[in-house]
Amino acid sequence: GAVVSQHPSWVICKSGTSVKIECRSLDFQATTMFWYRQFPKQSLMLMATSNEGSKATYEQGVEKDKFLINHASLTLSTLTVTSAHPEDSSFYICSAPRNPRTDTQYFGPGTRLTVL
Amino acid sequence: AQKITQTQPGMFVQEKEAVTLDCTYDTSDPSYGLFWYKQPSSGEMIFLIYQGSYDQQNATEGRYSLNFQKARKSANLVISASQLGDSAMYFCAMREGMVFGAGTILRVKS
Repeated sequence: GAVVSQHPSWVICKSGTSVKIECRSLDFQATTMFWYRQFPKQSLMLMATSNEGSKATYEQGVEKDKFLINHASLTLSTLTVTSAHPEDSSFYICSAPRNPRTDTQYFGPGTRLTVL
Repeated sequence: AQKITQTQPGMFVQEKEAVTLDCTYDTSDPSYGLFWYKQPSSGEMIFLIYQGSYDQQNATEGRYSLNFQKARKSANLVISASQLGDSAMYFCAMREGMVFGAGTILRVKS
């Protein structure tokens, strides 16, 4: 069964509003989670690393004030897209490492965001 | 910097036949891990197989095996006895925040 969940699975919002996406590890604790963005028929692009109890680490070119990440507990990380615009429409996926030996990432089912 | 290259945008394979999906990588780290994931049209990312750089043997998981050639820096995925349900996008990835290749779309024909 699924080991990482995401909520919501899809969301449509108006331009200028903020959207929060949750990522939960279901039966394990994750001090680190990762957030990705995927455009249609393209690969996953790592946006940021979410660290429990400390600030997230953002990849180059990703706006920190635009994509707010909070890792409030060992099983929950949230991504908030602030003041969303149509160009933020995308598929957002989170992942968490479950196997300490291999760091195999287990992915959430993804959230499809459409900004009108 | 780490880099993953998948040169096959799309592949067709006949049902029940084997298919190889190519992946080459570049890294300066002596210790690394390589992964293959499957992404069906639903969007979920499904873990298939893992190969550690120091693993002595090529990884296998059911119908999936990894042809790991360290000197060539390649980690090709071999799917044996293809099934219609194998039709999906396949990504090769490297550990540490997961660097992904561009992906290969596999279509299995009946």
